[in-house]
Parts: sequence; structure tokens; C-alpha cells
Amino acid sequence: KAGVTQTPRYLIKTRGQQVTLSCSPISGHRSVSWYQQTPGQGLQFLFEYFSETQRNKGNFPGRFSGRQFSNSRSEMNVSTLELGDSALYLCASSLIQFADDTEAFFGQGTRLTVV
Amino acid sequence: QKEVEQNSGPLSVPEGAIASLNCTYSDRGSQSFFWYRQYSGKSPELIMFIYSNGDKEDGRFTAQLNKASQYVSLLIRDSQPSDSATYLCAVKKGSYIPTFGRGTSLIVHP
Repeated sequence: KAGVTQTPRYLIKTRGQQVTLSCSPISGHRSVSWYQQTPGQGLQFLFEYFSETQRNKGNFPGRFSGRQFSNSRSEMNVSTLELGDSALYLCASSLIQFADDTEAFFGQGTRLTVV
Repeated sequence: QKEVEQNSGPLSVPEGAIASLNCTYSDRGSQSFFWYRQYSGKSPELIMFIYSNGDKEDGRFTAQLNKASQYVSLLIRDSQPSDSATYLCAVKKGSYIPTFGRGTSLIVHP
């Protein structure tokens, strides 16, 4: 059974650019959550998608957006990149909504560096 | 004040010893508590979850929850060098998304 796949694994972008990250959940999983991980702030929740609908949203500016497709794959977009957006972006896949008591499986993450 | 607090460490223990990792939380309504392990450069993986006060054991791991004192801990018995990693505590209330602590770095030296 394939795990959670995130692409690309590494990305270097320039300030002001935009970026799109992709996450393919485990087959059959319908919930995808996105997290930003930095040494200073730890793991911070961005948003969760379930059945193509955003169900929960963290405290991030509108430059961060996402969507989910009918096959449960999800994309996250960050516009007008800032140096502070440099982080490891993780997506978590679960069978139903992460907010319920189900186990979430994390992908390997995308390491974004903004220069 | 961050809602979930963990000592960043590193916590250094000798091989074979018991490693004790602690986590405190601020929301008394929190109901579910999770421990994740994250190796350097890897993604977090769930080790254990606990909902009720008391101890929950799984192999060499024991999670302890004390809701009155608002802390949850993870004990690792017979620590091995392969246990060296960052341990993340996550706390959830109802249907809300879990809140993660910043993690404690554990080093098990031979």
C-alpha cells in the first residue's frame, strides 16, 4: 500500500514568486491536512480538506491557499513568497476527517527555501 | 503562551535507561493526546494516543495522562540508539484539529 506522496521534495524560490505543492494521500483516504514546520514554531496547522471541501483552517494569511480534487489529491499554493515562508511543509492523510479520532499518516514533506 | 509545551531538550540518556518525555497543555477541555516520533529529515509517525487518565502501555512505550495536572508524558523503557529522534506531543479537543508542541529531542547514547 503506497504511503502519502508529496512533490516536489525540495524547492528553492525567490521572494515574491508563488509556489504550488502537491500531496497524494493514501488510497481510500479522503482527508488531507497541511502543516508548516519550522524550528522556531514547530508544527503549525494550515488547513484541512475533506471531500473537496475545506473543513478547517489555521491562522495563516490569505497568501496560503489550497484545494482538493475529486481523487482526494490536494495542492497547496503560496503566493508572494516571503523569506519567512521557508519551512518544511507536511501533509497528513487520514481515512476520514483528521479532527475525528483517526490516525493520520504524514508524507515526507516538501522543503521550501525562499531566497 | 503556547497551548502545548514541551522541553526542547536535548534529553540525553544512556542505552538501556528509561527516557521520560513530558508535555503540558493549557486547555482543560482537551480530550485526546498523541505522541509522534520524528527522525531527522523524516516525517512524524504516530507512536501512541491516550484518552483516559492513567497509563497506557504499548511494548517499550508507556503514555501517562493526568488531566487534573494537565500533563501527558511518554516513557521509553530500555532506550535504544534507534530511539534517538524528536518526539512531538499533540493535543486535541473535540472535533478541533490537534495542536502540536515543538517537540523534545531525545539522544540515546551507547
